[in-house]
Amino acid sequence: QVQLVESGGTVVQPGRSLRLSCAASGFTFNNYPMHWVRQAPGKGLEWVAVMSSDGSNKYYADSMKGRFTISRDNSKNTLDLQMSSLTAEDTAVYYCAREVSGVFSAWGQGTLVTVSS
Amino acid sequence: QLVLAQSPSASASLGASVKLTCTLSSGHSSYAIAWHQQQPEKGPRFVMKLNSDGSHTKGDGIPDRFSGSSSGAERYLTISSLQSEDEADYYCQTWGTGIQVFGGGTKLTVL
Repeated sequence: QVQLVESGGTVVQPGRSLRLSCAASGFTFNNYPMHWVRQAPGKGLEWVAVMSSDGSNKYYADSMKGRFTISRDNSKNTLDLQMSSLTAEDTAVYYCAREVSGVFSAWGQGTLVTVSS
Repeated sequence: QLVLAQSPSASASLGASVKLTCTLSSGHSSYAIAWHQQQPEKGPRFVMKLNSDGSHTKGDGIPDRFSGSSSGAERYLTISSLQSEDEADYYCQTWGTGIQVFGGGTKLTVL
């Protein structure tokens, strides 16, 4: 079955960097665009970034441009998110999601990032 | 600008039906959307993709009690024979080139 497992979430100080990972299994990873979506405590879902199936294209939400970098390794079936200059507003659960024709057809369980001194 | 609007809350009794609404912004009434369910303390779950003509494709394991329909810029998710496990947040989602948009979510309470 399709499985997406995020990792890397932790407590980090403001201004520091953090790298999240998503391990995919149960489907042909290199056939699908993959996304990161986040959810601040008590808030709604916010799209973060997408990378195309072959890694040739990537897009970011405006508020994340320049600070976040999405990448993938199709040989290892992993999706990463490198986050820098973190602030308290980046505190959220971060989900990876698989896209099928625009739709998020599968989600991970999320990993919590807390930015606090 | 591509925007999705949802009512913050809805409620209905156990065994009854409820219709949740997602409204597309002006100029985007032909867009398809997706509905996602998020139960308390869980990750989101894909419910269905809903096209402008009302046709829809459900995710794996989604019960027949869940159905979708469309009218103009409005996209609906109807849940019939409400059960306690349907109490959740429901988000609509749509997309354009290089962008994904979520509605603010509707918190469904089953009374």
